[in-house]
Amino acid sequence: GNSVTQMEGPVTLSEEAFLTINCTYTATGYPSLFWYVQYPGEGLQLLLKATKADDKGSNKGFEATYRKETTSFHLEKGSVQVSDSAVYFCALSPSENQGGKLIFGQGTELSVKP
Amino acid sequence: DSGVTQTPKHLITATGQRVTLRCSPRSGDLSVYWYQQSLDQGLQFLIQYYNGEERAKGNILERFSAQQFPDLHSELNLSSLELGDSALYFCASSRDGGGRNTIYFGEGSWLTVV
Repeated sequence: GNSVTQMEGPVTLSEEAFLTINCTYTATGYPSLFWYVQYPGEGLQLLLKATKADDKGSNKGFEATYRKETTSFHLEKGSVQVSDSAVYFCALSPSENQGGKLIFGQGTELSVKP
Repeated sequence: DSGVTQTPKHLITATGQRVTLRCSPRSGDLSVYWYQQSLDQGLQFLIQYYNGEERAKGNILERFSAQQFPDLHSELNLSSLELGDSALYFCASSRDGGGRNTIYFGEGSWLTVV
């Protein structure tokens, strides 16, 4: 079946540190991959996405590359800010013929200290 | 603002009761999704509708039901409520029902069962 595994949190970093949040997936066919972010008390916001192998999604200094050979979609940012503190969810959407639903990882909480 | 509107934002009700959560998708979006977010289960896909028809079903309990109306808004009905149904319920929408579309989330409806 389809599944997403993320590194466990919480992750605590100092401001301007480098961020990596690991995400690996299991899926049949060619899924699309997403990162969503949930700030405290808010809903889910799309951060970035990639729809085919070797695509790089990027937004707000975050980026992730769709690696089919390692079934991974790790999230990176070169210099985090306090305002990046949130829960980050990796998700996949199975191949076209399986509908558009998203399957989420368990989420990784990031806390950035000044 | 994602353009997906959910009401009510907060709801407290007693065990055994029934509630209805309402969702208006983004303008032009034909597909609506319902998700449940709880501490122990994480983000779980419940059900998807596309242009009024059920498209995909996930981990939705028999006590729960949903529908999408001709104007494309959707309702999630939760009945015979139990303490374990306390969670954040998200509605989301996308342009169509396929896997390549971006899915946009509302801010959620907080349900507390006491």
